[in-house]
Amino acid sequence: GENVEQHPSTLSVQEGDSAVIKCTYSDSASNYFPWYKQELGKRPQLIIDIRSNVGEKKDQRIAVTLNKTAKHFSLHITETQPEDSAVYFCAASPHTPWGSQGNLIFGKGTKLSVKP
Amino acid sequence: DAGVIQSPRHEVTEMGQEVTLRCKPISGHDYLFWYRQTMMRGLELLIYFNNNVPIDDSGMPEDRFSAKMPNASFSTLKIQPSEPRDSAVYFCASSFGGGSNQPQHFGDGTRLSIL
Repeated sequence: GENVEQHPSTLSVQEGDSAVIKCTYSDSASNYFPWYKQELGKRPQLIIDIRSNVGEKKDQRIAVTLNKTAKHFSLHITETQPEDSAVYFCAASPHTPWGSQGNLIFGKGTKLSVKP
Repeated sequence: DAGVIQSPRHEVTEMGQEVTLRCKPISGHDYLFWYRQTMMRGLELLIYFNNNVPIDDSGMPEDRFSAKMPNASFSTLKIQPSEPRDSAVYFCASSFGGGSNQPQHFGDGTRLSIL
């Protein structure tokens, strides 16, 4: 089945610097890759997603890139701010034998700390 | 939009007791997912439903866990009997039409502690 690896597990940056989190996936049939942000004690919230027919997507300070050949995708946060501190999860949707791709496989998460 | 609603928010009970977690998905969503989150194992999918029908329950850890979705607006996850290793945060999420190609929206979770 699908396996998603996420690196690094922790990341500390200075305010204003950029942060990059990388994920790899194993199922070449996966076609949807969301990123979630989870603040301490709260629910995961979608911050950006990308589909397999697109190589890059940006939303203000956040961007995601996808390399289907290498089966990896990355989250880029520019001009980091203390409020960006949280755990970030990548995910991929695997192919299922039922013809319906309903679920997501999550990476283990990256704890980002932005120091003022 | 009220979002995904879970109850209770916190549950503390003794091992051996039955635990029932509840979820109300976003109106109109046809996929519902139950996840468990722990420090050791991260976010794990337990089971998911499409149009109230269970599609994949391979993530359900053992027979002590069961889930139902009697209608489009309500789902339960039951643990009987509960054990200390079941302590975790349980999230419910829902999405519309196509699941993987549409964002999943998470509820606030139930923090479960089994003593």
